[in-house]
Amino acid sequence: GAVVSQHPSRVICKSGTSVKIECRSLDFQATTMFWYRQFPKQSLMLMATSNEGSKATYEQGVEKDKFLINHASLTLSTLTVTSAHPEDSSFYICSAQRTGYEQYFGPGTRLTVT
Amino acid sequence: DAKTTQPPSMDCAEGRAANLPCNHSTISGNEYVYWYRQIHSQGPQYIIHGLKNNETNEMASLIITEDRKSSTLILPHATLRDTAVYYCIVRASGGGADGLTFGKGTHLIIQP
Repeated sequence: GAVVSQHPSRVICKSGTSVKIECRSLDFQATTMFWYRQFPKQSLMLMATSNEGSKATYEQGVEKDKFLINHASLTLSTLTVTSAHPEDSSFYICSAQRTGYEQYFGPGTRLTVT
Repeated sequence: DAKTTQPPSMDCAEGRAANLPCNHSTISGNEYVYWYRQIHSQGPQYIIHGLKNNETNEMASLIITEDRKSSTLILPHATLRDTAVYYCIVRASGGGADGLTFGKGTHLIIQP
């Protein structure tokens, strides 16, 4: 299957700072990338959908000014959590998809805001 | 996308077949059934998907009833590494540009 990587795998930051998470499709070009988050003992929740070269589409309740998504190429998308607060602590997971194929997920990034 | 119903948890003995059911009674004609699993603290892993015919790959088999209102994922020889949360997801077309809607899934525990 296709390989998707995320970096970093874990990050701890102080409240008020910003954190950038990278998502890369390593062996295919992804027409669409998705960002999810997962709180402890809960299921994954879709945050936003991004297509290369265009603005991301955010799900209801997700603040686009707080969670900045950039999809600069067909193999790279980034999620920046701006002015992070403890309630943003979560497991952030990206997925990548080629048109007509299933989604492949990255290993996830554990964000802890202190 | 149609909703799915799965049992919250199941146990299976190592080496036996694990059969995970999923109900999707409101599935429509162009919706596929997808299965993913998530091992603790990892990203979900794609397992298999199908429209109406039974499917098999190196990981599992997918059996879809004739009326398509339910399906069963079969792991033929379960190992301890198959312990995970298994998600049954119904979505339109085989790869449209929509995010996946995850339910609560089935926590499968393989017992030694």
